Amino acid sequence: SQTIHQWPATLVQPVGSPLSLECTVEGTSNPNLYWYRQAAGRGLQLLFYSVGIGQISSEVPQNLSASRPQDRQFILSSKKLLLSDSGFYLCACLGQGRHEQYFGPGTRLTVT
Amino acid sequence: AQTVTQSQPEMSVQEAETVTLSCTYDTSENNYYLFWYKQPPSRQMILVIRQEAYKQQNATENRFSVNFQKAAKSFSLKISDSQLGDTAMYFCAFMKPILNDMRFGAGTRLTVKP
Repeated sequence: SQTIHQWPATLVQPVGSPLSLECTVEGTSNPNLYWYRQAAGRGLQLLFYSVGIGQISSEVPQNLSASRPQDRQFILSSKKLLLSDSGFYLCACLGQGRHEQYFGPGTRLTVT
Repeated sequence: AQTVTQSQPEMSVQEAETVTLSCTYDTSENNYYLFWYKQPPSRQMILVIRQEAYKQQNATENRFSVNFQKAAKSFSLKISDSQLGDTAMYFCAFMKPILNDMRFGAGTRLTVKP
């Protein structure tokens, strides 16, 4: 089964600074990958998904971007963080049966 | 667009009792998947149970079972013999095939009391 790693686990960044969150997947090849954001006490909002290297789809207009430089690597970035970018960011991978998603441990981002 | 509604922001249950969490969804699709995920204080999202829309039989996983009413677009989760470790946020989610993007409800915070 697949294992999803996210780095870093927590991050505190000032407004206007850049951002790079990394997600890597083990145990599968050519997976569908997803970035979600969870605001405090809320559900998950899909930000980006990718069906292959270099293929990124964005769900909502925002201050963030995503890239997939390798088959099992998915990166979430920003050039200049906003206070509203604070939240809990989760990376997910479509299961090999293609019937469910599995999640990484998440990154808690606080923008000050 | 698909929407998922969880009308119970918070619920509580006594240990060993049974509790049902509600979820409704809106879609024009005929083929899709429904899920319940658990998010404990660690915030790790854990898949609890999955239901394929084309299956009439309700899914069960040990103490967890669902009541899937396709015509009513309802998908409730029943937890039997509640345990303290069941305390968590529970999210209902909808996924359609092909792109497999998932839509989540706002969640229900469940507290199991000793």
